[in-house]
This record gives sequence, structure tokens and C-alpha cells, in this order.
Amino acid sequence: GNSVTQMEGPVTLSEEAFLTINCTYTATGYPSLFWYVQYPGEGLQLLLKATKADDKGSNKGFEATYRKETTSFHLEKGSVQVSDSAVYFCALSNAGGTSYGKLTFGQGTILTVHP
Amino acid sequence: DAGVIQSPRHEVTEMGQEVTLRCKPISGHDYLFWYRQTMMRGLELLIYFNNNVPIDDSGMPEDRFSAKMPNASFSTLKIQPSEPRDSAVYFCASSFRGISGSTDTQYFGPGTRLTVL
Repeated sequence: GNSVTQMEGPVTLSEEAFLTINCTYTATGYPSLFWYVQYPGEGLQLLLKATKADDKGSNKGFEATYRKETTSFHLEKGSVQVSDSAVYFCALSNAGGTSYGKLTFGQGTILTVHP
Repeated sequence: DAGVIQSPRHEVTEMGQEVTLRCKPISGHDYLFWYRQTMMRGLELLIYFNNNVPIDDSGMPEDRFSAKMPNASFSTLKIQPSEPRDSAVYFCASSFRGISGSTDTQYFGPGTRLTVL
């Protein structure tokens, strides 16, 4: 079945540091890949997505590239801010078949950015 | 767009009581999902609907949990009787498949924080 594995957290960084959160997946077919972010006390929000191999999703300075050869979708940001402190979830969706629309989430990575 | 609306935002109840959580998806969306989030188990998919029909309820923990979607703009998740281990944040999410069938982004509500004493 489908699965998503994220690097274990929590991750603590100083403001303006470089961020990488690793995500690898196991899936059949050609999944879409997502990063969602959850700020304290809120629901999950889509941060970025990629629907096919070599696609790069980007938003708010965050980027992730869909690497089919390594089954990875690592999240990166060149310079983090205190406001980026949140929980980040990697997820995949198989767009076809009977499981359409269902997302498989990783366990989440807590990011804390200090001034 | 108002986004996904959930009510109540917070619920405190005593063990054995019935709890009903409510969700209004984004207008026009044809998929609706219920999730539960806890520190121990993370984010779990409980059940999801397509065009008001339950598609997969394999994540519903036991018979005490039930979910309905009587129309395209409303869904409920009921726990009866509630137990302390049901304490969690419950999220509702919706998505729109569209004609191309390629849209699978889910939009989440703010969640209901349930505490069972």
C-alpha cells in the first residue's frame, strides 16, 4: 500500500537558516505529492504540490521537487522566518482508481524557528 | 469563499455522552473527509464521502463512531457513547475532482477539539 516517511523532528533553527525536511514515499502508479502546513490551533493548509515527475512545487519561498527515481519530495527553504514555525506534513494522493482523492500523510515534522 | 466550516470549535463532554460534530464543505466540492489528530497516532483518516456516499470507512475506530452526509452541504460525525480515549482534534476536509479528474487538493476546516472527561 501507499506510505509516506518524513524525517523525524522536531527541527529547531535560527532565523534565516536553510531548511530541509526530507520526505520519501512508497506508492503504486503515479501519485501526486503535497506539502501541507499546520500553524498552531489551525487546520492543515496546502503549501505546495507537484503532480508528475520532475515537477517543482513552490510557494512562500518553499520548494519541493518530485523525484521519481529516488521516490522523494524534500521540502526546502533558503531562509526561514519565525513565522514559519509550524508542523509540516508530506502527503501523497493516487489520482486514479478506487482510492481517488484519498491522501496518505506522513507523521508530520515540527519546525521551530528562533529569532 | 468561506472555506470549510466546522462546529463546534471546542467540545467538552463527560464519558458516556453522545457527541455530534458538524461540517459544511466548500460549495461545489464533491469529496468530504473526516480526520482525527492526536499526539500519539498523528493524523488518521476516519471516513470519506463522494457525492454524499461513503466510499471508505475503514478508518472508523469502532461502532461507537458513525458519519452521515445527508446532502452536499452538510456532514456529521457522531460518537455514542463517548470515551476519554476519543479526546482529539477532529478535522473535516473537502475537495473537488472536476471534469478532468485531476484535482485532489484537500481543503481543511479549523477542526473541533473534543475533550471527553
